[in-house]
Amino acid sequence: GEDVEQSLFLSVREGDSSVINCTYTDSSSTYLYWYKQEPGAGLQLLTYIFSNMDMKQDQRLTVLLNKKDKHLSLRIADTQTGDSAIYFCAEEDTGFQKLVFGTGTRLLVSP
Amino acid sequence: NAGVTQTPKFRILKIGQSMTLQCTQDMNHNYMYWYRQDPGMGLKLIYYSVGAGITDKGEVPNGYNVSRSTTEDFPLRLELAAPSQTSVYFCASQGSSTDTQYFGPGTRLTVL
Repeated sequence: GEDVEQSLFLSVREGDSSVINCTYTDSSSTYLYWYKQEPGAGLQLLTYIFSNMDMKQDQRLTVLLNKKDKHLSLRIADTQTGDSAIYFCAEEDTGFQKLVFGTGTRLLVSP
Repeated sequence: NAGVTQTPKFRILKIGQSMTLQCTQDMNHNYMYWYRQDPGMGLKLIYYSVGAGITDKGEVPNGYNVSRSTTEDFPLRLELAAPSQTSVYFCASQGSSTDTQYFGPGTRLTVL
């Protein structure tokens, strides 16, 4: 079955860049997603990338996709304390628009 | 639009009790989903629905049931609560195959 893996924890200082990595297994996924979960809240879509793209930039967010290695990354430029949250990557199940989520990376931004 | 709403926000159940987690969306979305999130883990799909009257099992359906009598509502039923069902439950909806999933705020359930 599909499996999505992420490192569990990342700590950065305010103003630095953060890079959160993700590996996935389903090479036929059409879309790959990044979601953000703040404490006590549901998941909020941050950005997504279509599988035929290598890179997508959206303000402070840059998504890089390496299809050969099945590796997805999310870079947050000028990280702020408000970016502290859990970040989930997700791939699409080939059968349907079901999402398979990674375990989440907890990002802690210190002043 | 309220988006996806879930009730209750919190609930404590005793082993063997039953309850229904409510989920409603006002976006006229066809697709709806129930996930559970265990501590330190990602989301696991319990059940999903592609439209009123149609439901199907996800990755972890045991111990749960769903129904989809209307487009708006997708309740999740626990018949005999077990401690292993202690989790945070998220409902989500999606409008079309190219749309994203919109999540509700979650229901935190503890079974003692």
